[in-house]
Amino acid sequence: GQNIDQPTEMTATEGAIVQINCTYQTSGFNGLFWYQQHAGEAPTFLSYNVLDGLEEKGRFSSFLSRSKGYSYLLLKELQMKDSASYLCAVRGNTDKLIFGTGTRLQVFP
Amino acid sequence: DSGVTQTPKHLITATGQRVTLRCSPRSGDLSVYWYQQSLDQGLQFLIQYYNGEERAKGNILERFSAQQFPDLHSELNLSSLELGDSALYFCASSSPPGELFFGEGSRLTVL
Repeated sequence: GQNIDQPTEMTATEGAIVQINCTYQTSGFNGLFWYQQHAGEAPTFLSYNVLDGLEEKGRFSSFLSRSKGYSYLLLKELQMKDSASYLCAVRGNTDKLIFGTGTRLQVFP
Repeated sequence: DSGVTQTPKHLITATGQRVTLRCSPRSGDLSVYWYQQSLDQGLQFLIQYYNGEERAKGNILERFSAQQFPDLHSELNLSSLELGDSALYFCASSSPPGELFFGEGSRLTVL
């Protein structure tokens, strides 16, 4: 089976840096994805890791350690619009993506 | 705009009824996925189709069924609706092993 854990809620201040962790246990591994979802809206793709290491894309970076079953999403220079849920998802042996329950991030001025 | 189109956007119906949700994938994507998201819950995987064939199945209830047609659009049928079926239903498409692109969702309210 598959199990994905991430914190339920986090808060941070505008301009700061926040790290959202994700741990997973899966049957096989074919990539880890991070999505952003604003309330009532569709999830939008942020990043993809399939090899160990850090992937940087603007203010957002994502890290993967396959041996530890661990990933994090790093958000820099936080803006109010970054207040959203951040979903960690893993692709195992099949094409389907299994999502964690998401981390709700609130950014305060 | 993800390129994935879902209809209807909103649907209100009564318990015991049946509804059909429709999804048109991005041009060129052969895979279609259906997810259910209840209030303040995560995305629950329901089912995946690839080029018309069922590829993977999640915790989809027997009252629910889906199919993908030759033109690659997909439909999710929900029958004998219960109050607990009220949720956002998302369709996504992809060209594996790439990322999933999500539609805007169909919000179902069962009264």
